[in-house]
Amino acid sequence: DTGVSQNPRHKITKRGQNVTFRCDPISEHNRLYWYRQTLGQGPEFLTYFQNEAQLEKSRLLSDRFSAERPKGSFSTLEIQRTEQGDSAMYLCASSALNEKLFFGSGTQLSVL
Amino acid sequence: GQSLEQPSEVTAVEGAIVQINCTYQTSGFYGLSWYQQHDGGAPTFLSYNALDGLEETGRFSSFLSRSDSYGYLLLQELQMKDSASYFCAVEVGGGFKTIFGAGTRLFVKA
Repeated sequence: DTGVSQNPRHKITKRGQNVTFRCDPISEHNRLYWYRQTLGQGPEFLTYFQNEAQLEKSRLLSDRFSAERPKGSFSTLEIQRTEQGDSAMYLCASSALNEKLFFGSGTQLSVL
Repeated sequence: GQSLEQPSEVTAVEGAIVQINCTYQTSGFYGLSWYQQHDGGAPTFLSYNALDGLEETGRFSSFLSRSDSYGYLLLQELQMKDSASYFCAVEVGGGFKTIFGAGTRLFVKA
């Protein structure tokens, strides 16, 4: 068990480009969450999966954001047509049923 | 919707005791968690309360009053390494979703 792994650690992109992040959860965890965090704020809920099913997506989330967890293991978060306001730390977390969240180290996105 | 309020900053002296309060408004409340985050690090779980009362884990304790929609995190015997941000977070939707507050930045002075 190596914990929650996220790649890449850092991503710099130009406005208008698409980016994709990957999250590998703890292997026995069936729940996977994506959060976004900006400096001085708490993690903001984006979406979560139970196995391969995406059960909820934040109403604040633009249609430019999409997440998948095709086989109930790893997950990807894609942002299309990035904007400067998308610059943030994107955190992935996993948990077993009704257990605490284990967070990855995050992907820091900078949109120029 | 959900809202959580906690102080933005707290400063305390090494060896002292500090209490970080959290009040929340939410529907479908399931439990209250606390997470710690050091600068540049990931949030890590500290404590959880589903029922009223005090939960103790080493130097850290957490309290919940469901009727008052209030909880707190108590840190005893403060150490310099406790300087970090502390987030209260509510579990809603039967425990499926965790919503975080804006966090309290704790500064521990020598």
